[in-house]
Amino acid sequence: AQSVTQLGSHVSVSEGALVLLRCNYSSSVPPYLFWYVQYPNQGLQLLLKYTSAATLVKGINGFEAEFKKSETSFHLTKPSAHMSDAAEYFCAVSDQGGSEKLVFGKGTKLTVNP
Amino acid sequence: DSGVTQTPKHLITATGQRVTLRCSPRSGDLSVYWYQQSLDQGLQFLIQYYNGEERAKGNILERFSAQQFPDLHSELNLSSLELGDSALYFCASSEYPSSGGANEQFFGPGTRLTVL
Repeated sequence: AQSVTQLGSHVSVSEGALVLLRCNYSSSVPPYLFWYVQYPNQGLQLLLKYTSAATLVKGINGFEAEFKKSETSFHLTKPSAHMSDAAEYFCAVSDQGGSEKLVFGKGTKLTVNP
Repeated sequence: DSGVTQTPKHLITATGQRVTLRCSPRSGDLSVYWYQQSLDQGLQFLIQYYNGEERAKGNILERFSAQQFPDLHSELNLSSLELGDSALYFCASSEYPSSGGANEQFFGPGTRLTVL
Protein backbone atom coordinates (compact mmCIF):
# COMPACT_ATOMS: atom_id res chain seq x y z
CA ALA A 1 0.00 0.00 0.00
CA GLN A 2 1.07 3.53 -0.70
CA SER A 3 1.83 5.94 2.10
CA VAL A 4 3.10 9.48 2.53
CA THR A 5 4.95 11.06 5.43
CA GLN A 6 5.19 14.80 5.81
CA LEU A 7 7.85 15.84 8.29
CA GLY A 8 6.76 18.77 10.38
CA SER A 9 3.11 19.51 10.96
CA HIS A 10 3.94 23.20 11.33
CA VAL A 11 6.61 25.23 9.55
CA SER A 12 7.21 28.91 10.15
CA VAL A 13 9.32 31.14 7.89
CA SER A 14 9.92 34.84 7.47
CA GLU A 15 8.65 36.68 4.43
CA GLY A 16 11.31 36.42 1.72
CA ALA A 17 12.90 33.29 3.20
CA LEU A 18 13.17 29.88 1.56
CA VAL A 19 10.22 27.57 1.98
CA LEU A 20 11.00 23.85 2.31
CA LEU A 21 8.23 21.38 3.03
CA ARG A 22 9.25 17.75 3.28
CA CYS A 23 7.48 14.73 1.86
CA ASN A 24 8.60 11.11 1.78
CA TYR A 25 6.60 8.38 0.15
CA SER A 26 6.45 4.64 0.28
CA SER A 27 5.68 2.72 -2.87
CA SER A 28 6.63 -0.58 -4.41
CA VAL A 29 6.20 0.81 -7.91
CA PRO A 30 7.02 4.19 -9.46
CA PRO A 31 4.51 6.60 -7.99
CA TYR A 32 2.66 9.61 -9.19
CA LEU A 33 3.09 12.38 -6.64
CA PHE A 34 1.17 15.56 -6.01
CA TRP A 35 1.31 18.65 -3.84
CA TYR A 36 -1.97 20.33 -2.97
CA VAL A 37 -2.55 23.56 -1.04
CA GLN A 38 -5.55 24.30 1.16
CA TYR A 39 -6.31 27.89 2.12
CA PRO A 40 -8.57 28.47 5.13
CA ASN A 41 -12.17 27.45 4.52
CA GLN A 42 -11.45 26.34 0.98
CA GLY A 43 -10.97 23.13 -0.94
CA LEU A 44 -7.67 21.74 -2.14
CA GLN A 45 -5.87 23.21 -5.13
CA LEU A 46 -3.19 21.40 -7.09
CA LEU A 47 0.24 23.05 -6.92
CA LEU A 48 2.15 20.54 -9.01
CA LYS A 49 2.40 16.87 -9.92
CA TYR A 50 5.12 14.38 -10.80
CA THR A 51 4.32 11.88 -13.51
CA SER A 52 7.84 10.63 -14.38
CA ALA A 53 8.38 13.07 -17.27
CA ALA A 54 10.94 15.17 -15.35
CA THR A 55 12.32 14.89 -11.84
CA LEU A 56 12.16 18.66 -11.22
CA VAL A 57 8.58 19.82 -11.42
CA LYS A 58 7.52 23.44 -11.53
CA GLY A 59 4.12 24.42 -10.28
CA ILE A 60 1.98 27.45 -9.70
CA ASN A 61 2.83 30.43 -7.49
CA GLY A 62 6.59 29.87 -7.80
CA PHE A 63 6.64 26.45 -6.13
CA GLU A 64 8.65 23.51 -7.37
CA ALA A 65 9.43 20.00 -6.20
CA GLU A 66 12.14 17.49 -6.97
CA PHE A 67 11.53 13.77 -7.19
CA LYS A 68 14.43 11.79 -5.70
CA LYS A 69 13.93 8.08 -6.12
CA SER A 70 16.97 7.13 -4.04
CA GLU A 71 15.62 9.11 -1.10
CA THR A 72 11.93 8.37 -1.82
CA SER A 73 11.32 12.07 -1.41
CA PHE A 74 9.32 14.78 -3.12
CA HIS A 75 10.08 17.95 -1.16
CA LEU A 76 8.33 21.22 -2.02
CA THR A 77 10.33 24.43 -2.22
CA LYS A 78 9.87 28.11 -2.97
CA PRO A 79 12.84 30.50 -3.00
CA SER A 80 11.07 33.44 -1.38
CA ALA A 81 7.98 33.19 0.81
CA HIS A 82 5.09 35.60 0.48
CA MET A 83 2.48 36.32 3.11
CA SER A 84 -0.10 34.86 0.72
CA ASP A 85 1.64 31.46 0.91
CA ALA A 86 0.31 30.90 4.42
CA ALA A 87 -1.84 27.79 4.10
CA GLU A 88 -1.80 24.05 4.69
CA TYR A 89 0.09 21.91 2.21
CA PHE A 90 -0.58 18.27 1.46
CA CYS A 91 1.61 15.77 -0.32
CA ALA A 92 -0.23 12.89 -1.97
CA VAL A 93 0.53 9.74 -3.93
CA SER A 94 -1.78 8.04 -6.32
CA ASP A 95 -2.63 4.40 -5.98
CA GLN A 96 -0.96 2.28 -8.63
CA GLY A 97 -3.47 -0.50 -8.22
CA GLY A 98 -5.81 0.75 -10.92
CA SER A 99 -7.77 3.24 -8.85
CA GLU A 100 -6.89 6.92 -8.93
CA LYS A 101 -7.54 7.53 -5.27
CA LEU A 102 -5.11 9.87 -3.60
CA VAL A 103 -3.32 8.87 -0.41
CA PHE A 104 -2.50 12.03 1.50
CA GLY A 105 0.07 12.95 4.09
CA LYS A 106 -1.06 14.57 7.33
CA GLY A 107 -0.33 18.04 5.99
CA THR A 108 2.05 20.85 6.91
CA LYS A 109 0.72 24.19 8.03
CA LEU A 110 2.92 27.00 6.74
CA THR A 111 3.05 30.30 8.63
CA VAL A 112 4.76 33.29 7.03
CA ASN A 113 5.92 35.99 9.41
CA PRO A 114 6.33 39.62 8.30
CA ASP B 1 -13.12 28.26 -8.42
CA SER B 2 -12.51 24.60 -9.28
CA GLY B 3 -15.85 24.12 -11.00
CA VAL B 4 -16.88 21.45 -8.49
CA THR B 5 -19.86 22.42 -6.37
CA GLN B 6 -20.94 20.92 -3.08
CA THR B 7 -24.08 21.48 -1.05
CA PRO B 8 -24.75 22.22 1.67
CA LYS B 9 -21.73 24.15 2.89
CA HIS B 10 -22.51 23.43 6.53
CA LEU B 11 -24.67 20.78 8.15
CA ILE B 12 -25.45 20.42 11.81
CA THR B 13 -27.38 17.39 12.96
CA ALA B 14 -27.81 15.03 15.89
CA THR B 15 -26.48 11.57 16.58
CA GLY B 16 -28.49 8.81 14.98
CA GLN B 17 -29.68 10.97 12.11
CA ARG B 18 -29.14 10.55 8.37
CA VAL B 19 -27.83 13.21 5.98
CA THR B 20 -27.14 13.51 2.27
CA LEU B 21 -24.27 15.48 0.82
CA ARG B 22 -24.41 16.49 -2.81
CA CYS B 23 -21.66 17.06 -5.35
CA SER B 24 -21.73 18.32 -8.93
CA PRO B 25 -18.49 17.60 -10.82
CA ARG B 26 -16.80 19.88 -13.32
CA SER B 27 -18.45 19.91 -16.70
CA GLY B 28 -17.19 16.92 -18.67
CA ASP B 29 -15.65 15.06 -15.72
CA LEU B 30 -16.86 11.49 -15.42
CA SER B 31 -15.07 10.51 -12.20
CA VAL B 32 -16.17 11.62 -8.75
CA TYR B 33 -14.27 10.96 -5.54
CA TRP B 34 -15.30 11.48 -1.93
CA TYR B 35 -12.80 12.25 0.83
CA GLN B 36 -13.22 12.82 4.55
CA GLN B 37 -10.99 15.29 6.38
CA SER B 38 -10.85 15.08 10.17
CA LEU B 39 -8.35 16.25 12.76
CA ASP B 40 -7.39 12.77 13.88
CA GLN B 41 -7.48 10.87 10.58
CA GLY B 42 -6.44 13.59 8.16
CA LEU B 43 -7.63 13.31 4.55
CA GLN B 44 -9.00 9.86 3.79
CA PHE B 45 -10.37 8.50 0.55
CA LEU B 46 -13.87 7.13 0.88
CA ILE B 47 -15.14 6.09 -2.53
CA GLN B 48 -14.86 6.73 -6.27
CA TYR B 49 -17.46 6.58 -9.02
CA TYR B 50 -16.89 6.64 -12.74
CA ASN B 51 -19.77 7.30 -15.11
CA GLY B 52 -22.30 5.95 -12.66
CA GLU B 53 -20.41 2.87 -11.56
CA GLU B 54 -18.47 2.34 -8.35
CA ARG B 55 -14.77 2.12 -9.19
CA ALA B 56 -12.90 2.02 -5.90
CA LYS B 57 -13.65 1.91 -2.22
CA GLY B 58 -11.54 3.15 0.64
CA ASN B 59 -12.13 3.11 4.36
CA ILE B 60 -15.80 3.87 4.00
CA LEU B 61 -18.03 2.78 6.85
CA GLU B 62 -20.99 0.50 6.17
CA ARG B 63 -23.23 3.29 7.48
CA PHE B 64 -22.06 5.41 4.55
CA SER B 65 -23.08 4.94 0.94
CA ALA B 66 -22.81 6.89 -2.28
CA GLN B 67 -24.11 6.91 -5.79
CA GLN B 68 -23.56 8.76 -9.03
CA PHE B 69 -26.57 9.67 -11.12
CA PRO B 70 -26.99 9.77 -14.93
CA ASP B 71 -26.35 13.52 -14.93
CA LEU B 72 -23.05 12.67 -13.15
CA HIS B 73 -23.80 14.43 -9.89
CA SER B 74 -23.08 12.33 -6.82
CA GLU B 75 -24.55 11.99 -3.38
CA LEU B 76 -22.92 10.71 -0.22
CA ASN B 77 -25.37 9.34 2.32
CA LEU B 78 -24.34 9.12 5.96
CA SER B 79 -26.66 7.31 8.36
CA SER B 80 -26.82 6.48 12.07
CA LEU B 81 -24.50 9.38 12.60
CA GLU B 82 -22.03 9.38 15.47
CA LEU B 83 -20.04 12.18 17.04
CA GLY B 84 -16.93 10.87 15.33
CA ASP B 85 -18.46 11.45 11.91
CA SER B 86 -18.03 15.19 12.37
CA ALA B 87 -15.62 16.20 9.63
CA LEU B 88 -15.16 18.07 6.39
CA TYR B 89 -16.31 16.02 3.41
CA PHE B 90 -14.77 16.83 0.06
CA CYS B 91 -15.85 15.83 -3.37
CA ALA B 92 -13.37 15.86 -6.23
CA SER B 93 -13.71 15.16 -9.93
CA SER B 94 -11.41 14.31 -12.80
CA GLU B 95 -11.78 13.81 -16.53
CA TYR B 96 -11.52 10.05 -16.72
CA PRO B 97 -9.51 7.21 -15.29
CA SER B 98 -6.03 6.96 -16.74
CA SER B 99 -3.73 3.98 -16.74
CA GLY B 100 -1.39 5.61 -14.28
CA GLY B 101 -3.62 7.70 -12.06
CA ALA B 102 -1.99 10.96 -13.03
CA ASN B 103 -5.13 12.92 -13.78
CA GLU B 104 -5.56 16.01 -11.65
CA GLN B 105 -8.44 15.86 -9.23
CA PHE B 106 -10.36 19.11 -8.80
CA PHE B 107 -11.75 19.59 -5.31
CA GLY B 108 -14.95 21.23 -4.23
CA PRO B 109 -15.14 23.59 -1.24
CA GLY B 110 -16.39 20.82 1.05
CA THR B 111 -19.33 20.23 3.36
CA ARG B 112 -18.62 20.69 7.04
CA LEU B 113 -20.67 18.18 9.02
CA THR B 114 -21.16 18.67 12.73
CA VAL B 115 -22.84 15.90 14.69
CA LEU B 116 -24.07 16.96 18.13
